[in-house]
Amino acid sequence: EVQLLESGGRLVRPGGSLRLSCAASGFTFSSYAMSWVRQTPDKGLEWVSGLTGSGNSIDYAASVKGRFTISRENSKETLYLQMNSLRAEDTAVYYCTRGGYSGPSTDWGQGTLVTVSS
Amino acid sequence: EPGLTQSPVTLSLSPGEGATLSCRASQSVSTYFAWYQQKPGQAPRLLIHGASIRATGIPDRFGGSGSGTDFTLTISRLEPEDSAVYYCQQYARSRTFGQGTKLEIK
Repeated sequence: EVQLLESGGRLVRPGGSLRLSCAASGFTFSSYAMSWVRQTPDKGLEWVSGLTGSGNSIDYAASVKGRFTISRENSKETLYLQMNSLRAEDTAVYYCTRGGYSGPSTDWGQGTLVTVSS
Repeated sequence: EPGLTQSPVTLSLSPGEGATLSCRASQSVSTYFAWYQQKPGQAPRLLIHGASIRATGIPDRFGGSGSGTDFTLTISRLEPEDSAVYYCQQYARSRTFGQGTKLEIK
């Protein structure tokens, strides 16, 4: 069974930094692209970033490019999202998903809440 | 990147009826298109990809059709558990989601 467990979400001040993690299990992690998708009540679902199984190809949404960095550690079956220069509009539930780079997100974690507020 | 517009915004139907949900892309996305279901307090779940291919474990009551700019999700023989928000997504040019259709089964 595919399992994706996000962690790291919390309250952070504007301009601050945060790193999210996603521990994967139940599949050959290195063989799959992974991505982050966020959700807010106002803006709905927004794809944030994704990368291939090797990590050699990476893409970002325009709204986070230059501020967020996605990475993966295949030996630990873990996906990361480093978020810098956080803004109020980054407040959202962040989902880790399997796939979502050049195709659909086939599996989703339960999400972790990031709140950016002073 | 293509924008996606879903209609209707809300849909209220009775058990046993059929539902038709629509999604229109601002430019052609071929069949690089998916549908998701999200129930309250849960993460989205993939229903359809490639515009018409059911994801693993999805019952055949759910069907997808369309290509280019116009797509449809049909749900037959509605059950109370089908109450959810349904989102469309394109992954042809970057990746964008529609704003969702809330389906209520009363």
